[in-house]
Amino acid sequence: EADIYQTPRYLVIGTGKKITLECSQTMGHDKMYWYQQDPGMELHLIHYSYGVNSTEKGDLSSESTVSRIRTEHFPLTLESARPSHTSQYLCASSEYIGQGGSPLHFGNGTRLTVT
Amino acid sequence: AQSVTQPDIHITVSEGASLELRCNYSYGATPYLFWYVQSPGQGLQLLLKYFSGDTLVQGIKGFEAEFKRSQSSFNLRKPSVHWSDAAEYFCAVAYTGTASKLTFGTGTRLQVTL
Repeated sequence: EADIYQTPRYLVIGTGKKITLECSQTMGHDKMYWYQQDPGMELHLIHYSYGVNSTEKGDLSSESTVSRIRTEHFPLTLESARPSHTSQYLCASSEYIGQGGSPLHFGNGTRLTVT
Repeated sequence: AQSVTQPDIHITVSEGASLELRCNYSYGATPYLFWYVQSPGQGLQLLLKYFSGDTLVQGIKGFEAEFKRSQSSFNLRKPSVHWSDAAEYFCAVAYTGTASKLTFGTGTRLQVTL
């Protein structure tokens, strides 16, 4: 069982609020990822990190930002939430095993609803 | 760009019946292929992975998948489905040089009837 934790599990918040979704892993993995998942849709990579002080934008444009100050922690922040941000956000981590091929370990996700 | 197609959005099988979920990926020289399962309200759990070698890979929970390069496919199979297998199944691909960025399919929802 992977040790990657996301909080909160569910969040309902009003438009314009600033929110931070927390993600922590205890496996010492260098790589961490944020995926956005809508019902019936594939997972879209929105941010990833190769290690401390490394962050990159993913394939899907997102208004969120991330930081990686510690290996185990990869929070995602929305400065001003909008209804279009309503979605499930999944955090994942993986070991660095050469180029490609590292399985991802996922947290249980945060389901965000912006009213 | 790498892509994954799961042609079946929803599949219903009877408990005890065999199962095959289809997955096709865009051509790549060295694909790394994965199947994940997601239960309602949960994250994704890795079922199995293919990196190289034997094209038939065994995973957890009695699942297996076969890599067929000629067909660009990586179909998931189980000989006898249990009611607890009802979930969403995702196929994913990564390639050498993409730094483990996985591309996922849209998923197949499996329903199991008793």
